[in-house]
Amino acid sequence: DGGITQSPKYLFRKEGQNVTLSCEQNLNHDAMYWYRQDPGQGLRLIYYSQIVNDFQKGDIAEGYSVSREKKESFPLTVTSAQKNPTAFYLCASSRTGGITDTQYFGPGTRLTVL
Amino acid sequence: AQSVTQPDIHITVSEGASLELRCNYSYGATPYLFWYVQSPGQGLQLLLKYFSGDTLVQGIKGFEAEFKRSQSSFNLRKPSVHWSDAAEYFCAVGEVGYSTLTFGKGTMLLVSP
Repeated sequence: DGGITQSPKYLFRKEGQNVTLSCEQNLNHDAMYWYRQDPGQGLRLIYYSQIVNDFQKGDIAEGYSVSREKKESFPLTVTSAQKNPTAFYLCASSRTGGITDTQYFGPGTRLTVL
Repeated sequence: AQSVTQPDIHITVSEGASLELRCNYSYGATPYLFWYVQSPGQGLQLLLKYFSGDTLVQGIKGFEAEFKRSQSSFNLRKPSVHWSDAAEYFCAVGEVGYSTLTFGKGTMLLVSP
């Protein structure tokens, strides 16, 4: 089945540690996105990539980093510079990255900082 | 800059009753409008989208939405709500000249028996 997988589903991190969230898609989509979701805040864009080896900052990129070495993979690293990393993280992809494209979402990773 | 407002944080509807979720947007040009639904602890699923043409758009699961330019609104409706519709609903807007969507803060739908 085609889709987007995110792992792990739950992640716990100690303060001061970097952690990497995985996102893989087998939809052959060019574009991929990372969103952060907090209660009552909706979705806020962290980073997006419309093509391999290229990515752009979203609205809340500070304290995060990404890479896009392969079309199907777009891992997100939450660094120790992110002041409040506890949140639900959603990865999405779309066919070309055009504004009219449907975004398909993964099931999310819930990160908790202890 | 584009922005989206969903005025209702929570809405409770009786099963079988009709539903309307509100969405207002601001934009500089032609808006592209979307409604997504999120079940608890899950990702988002597209319900419907509007780009142009007929202002009444049909989506999946029996939902529809109407684009009203004069009111800058794109409200989501369903004639008869089922218990399985309980979820959080997000309105999103895209615009020519921008590469990304702006999401509203969501409306949580509760369905009472």
